[in-house]
Amino acid sequence: DTGVSQNPRHKITKRGQNVTFRCDPISEHNRLYWYRQTLGQGPEFLTYFQNEAQLEKSRLLSDRFSAERPKGSFSTLEIQRTEQGDSAMYLCASSFLQGLYGYTFGSGTRLTVV
Amino acid sequence: AQTVTQSQPEMSVQEAETVTLSCTYDTSESDYYLFWYKQPPSRQMILVIRQEAYKQQNATENRFSVNFQKAAKSFSLKISDSQLGDAAMYFCAYRSANTGGFKTIFGAGTRLFVKA
Repeated sequence: DTGVSQNPRHKITKRGQNVTFRCDPISEHNRLYWYRQTLGQGPEFLTYFQNEAQLEKSRLLSDRFSAERPKGSFSTLEIQRTEQGDSAMYLCASSFLQGLYGYTFGSGTRLTVV
Repeated sequence: AQTVTQSQPEMSVQEAETVTLSCTYDTSESDYYLFWYKQPPSRQMILVIRQEAYKQQNATENRFSVNFQKAAKSFSLKISDSQLGDAAMYFCAYRSANTGGFKTIFGAGTRLFVKA
């Protein structure tokens, strides 16, 4: 197991386009989280999955954002009609036992909307 | 709602010296977990150390130790014998022990520079 894998590492898109990011968590971890990190800030929670069930979405996750985790394995985060304010690092993390022992993070996907 | 505050945007330390990064948090809960994460430049965030609130003893991991003051809601990280590889952003984080809770809340981070 090589840890949490995120693809792509970088994405540049034009405003108004749709983008999709993928996260492959550690196989033994049934909890998966998406966070957003803007420059100079800490990660902000976006959404959480336990297996394939999406149990919580942040108010930060507007209706342009959708996340899925089919079959409780990999997860995708899609942003529709991207805006410049969506430019950020999107981090995926997975955990064992609800994150009580901490998260394992992926390297993130850096999105730039031009 | 819980909050995590890191009041030092940047810190600097001489190689081989000791540095302490500050963190305070606000919560009405009595049982929770606290973490320090390290994010090196252009690399993934990794867990440095973890503290359980119901444990009085401060956690230690090699050169990293914490000073956990529950009453003061303070959770500082001490790095001893600083090395060049310690240069990174450090994030303090809080996680409720409530089984219905699932979200870890992060502070804004402290950037640590290590001088050779």
